[in-house]
Amino acid sequence: GENVGLHLPTLSVQEGDNSIINCAYSNSASDYFIWYKQESGKGPQFIIDIRSNMDKRQGQRVTVLLNKTVKHLSLQIAATQPGDSAVYFCAENLGSGGSNYKLTFGKGTLLTVNP
Amino acid sequence: GAVVSQHPSWVICKSGTSVKIECRSLDFQATTMFWYRQFPKQSLMLMATSNEGSKATYEQGVEKDKFLINHASLTLSTLTVTSAHPEDSSFYICSASKGGGTDTQYFGPGTRLTVL
Repeated sequence: GENVGLHLPTLSVQEGDNSIINCAYSNSASDYFIWYKQESGKGPQFIIDIRSNMDKRQGQRVTVLLNKTVKHLSLQIAATQPGDSAVYFCAENLGSGGSNYKLTFGKGTLLTVNP
Repeated sequence: GAVVSQHPSWVICKSGTSVKIECRSLDFQATTMFWYRQFPKQSLMLMATSNEGSKATYEQGVEKDKFLINHASLTLSTLTVTSAHPEDSSFYICSASKGGGTDTQYFGPGTRLTVL
């Protein structure tokens, strides 16, 4: 079946650098995407979301970009800090209500920030 | 706001016993709650979706008689792992949303189950 995948399983950056985490999705019907951060032994924490009628959305130090043409989603973290070290998951939602409100999670990318 | 708790945070049980995990939305009413399991270094896999007052909808491959889900109120859902076996050892995570569609899912902290 269709699922959400990630290009890079691990990413190591220096503190202060910008990080880019990528995600490819295959279901063209998905219209809502979310990035989650998961620290070891904890539940996922919502970071930012974007709907398919947008191609960019910014939050505090984070930006999500959506390219529907190539079915690609990315999360940019500015001035990465040691506290950003975690596994990052993208998730997609078909968004049309009813049985389509389920989230499908990608494989995850482990981000390690070196001091 | 939108805090979800789980209890217990970890549990160790003997093979063949049953374990109940609670998921509570502390400051909002959750029309829909979701249960996921996560093996080490893997992604979250949806097990089932439950709506208050209705039977849960299970994902393909998830045994409904083994993983009993009850969503008796708008703030509480329980997952009972019946006759647990070592292969059931995993990280179980619940989430809750205020409604269907694309409403944000708020995740609990997870419950680590170890079956000896």
